Amino acid sequence: QQPVQSPQAVILREGEDAVINCSSSKALYSVHWYRQKHGEAPVFLMILLKGGEQKGHEKISASFNEKKQQSSLYLTASQLSYSGTYFCGPRDFGNEKLTFGTGTRLTIIP
Amino acid sequence: NAGVTQTPKFQVLKTGQSMTLQCAQDMNHEYMSWYRQDPGMGLRLIHYSVGAGITDQGEVPNGYNVSRSTTEDFPLRLLSAAPSQTSVYFCASSREPGHTTYEQYFGPGTRLTVT
Repeated sequence: QQPVQSPQAVILREGEDAVINCSSSKALYSVHWYRQKHGEAPVFLMILLKGGEQKGHEKISASFNEKKQQSSLYLTASQLSYSGTYFCGPRDFGNEKLTFGTGTRLTIIP
Repeated sequence: NAGVTQTPKFQVLKTGQSMTLQCAQDMNHEYMSWYRQDPGMGLRLIHYSVGAGITDQGEVPNGYNVSRSTTEDFPLRLLSAAPSQTSVYFCASSREPGHTTYEQYFGPGTRLTVT
């Protein structure tokens, strides 16, 4: 079952904050986040590991709630360059494959 | 390093034709995977491989075959193309699961149209 992301789309003005949520039906080992610009391939943003360790982007943060099987991505003081579609990829225990949510389309306007 | 390369970039097929989408990586990654991307559906996993000689199915494997004879290459075969397979296909690779750095590197994609 595909992870569920919310919202599906959001439009913000430059400088505003955004939160993107990701929910899974399985117990998670880690959560990955990627961003895809229109017409391009997805690009890695960060990984959140069980236990709270986080690896990745300097200006974008995320949280990982193991009990709720959820992760949230926080984009503060958004910039025009943050526009794109964001995908979460929760990994569950004993499963080596990486599946993605349906994506959240973020549009930043001046 | 070239990273992950995919060929062709664009392809048009007629219903019933077969073809192979090529994917190669030069990072010595053990894990490789294929995704398809359709509007509103996100990235859906077709097949993946955790090493040479080992492949497994993802979420939407029907109509596709894969093989992994070398670490570098992971071709995707469409057996008998159908209009429902019109999509953008991405190949990705990463280090063996278990490493703390497990980011996936994506290829540029192949845009396939089946008429």
